[in-house]
Amino acid sequence: AQSVTQLGSHVSVSEGALVLLRCNYSSSVPPYLFWYVQYPNQGLQLLLKYTTGATLVKGINGFEAEFKKSETSFHLTKPSAHMSDAAEYFCAVSDMGGAQKLVFGQGTRLTINP
Amino acid sequence: DGGITQSPKYLFRKEGQNVTLSCEQNLNHDAMYWYRQDPGQGLRLIYYSQIVNDFQKGDIAEGYSVSREKKESFPLTVTSAQKNPTAFYLCASSPLGQLMNTEAFFGQGTRLTVV
Repeated sequence: AQSVTQLGSHVSVSEGALVLLRCNYSSSVPPYLFWYVQYPNQGLQLLLKYTTGATLVKGINGFEAEFKKSETSFHLTKPSAHMSDAAEYFCAVSDMGGAQKLVFGQGTRLTINP
Repeated sequence: DGGITQSPKYLFRKEGQNVTLSCEQNLNHDAMYWYRQDPGQGLRLIYYSQIVNDFQKGDIAEGYSVSREKKESFPLTVTSAQKNPTAFYLCASSPLGQLMNTEAFFGQGTRLTVV
């Protein structure tokens, strides 16, 4: 079964600094990977996704992620943090068992310091 | 505008009562899902449905029930058998019949509090 591990439940960075949110997955087949963002008391919004092809994926709001098969990782980065990036971020993998459902990591809360 | 509507946004329930959370989508998606979110635990799947009149249990289905009588609607009932129902509940939908690379679309959530 697929699983996702997000390293660090809380990450704090200064405004303008690099954002790095870590995600490792477990999958017996080539995975489809997603990053979602959630603002307080809101639903989840898709940031980016990896399916096939280019391993560096660009998303909305200046975020990008790189799929590294050898490391089973899909870390999310942004070169320069903005105050509006403060939110909770979830990494997810598609369950390839035929049910077409997502398996989520525990989430990482990103705080931006002025 | 197409999207997923969950109602109500906030819901209070007395212990021992059943309560139903509404989820409606106009995206013409075949698959619908219910997730529960607790602090520090991410999202856990309660039930999902890939087609009308059919649904499957997720990882934490005990104390919950669903129905899928219409493609657009997937209501979740939190029964009195659910021991700890206070949580944030998220409904989602996605197209079916496509490759597994399609994302899920989420509603704005319902925050249920047992008083």
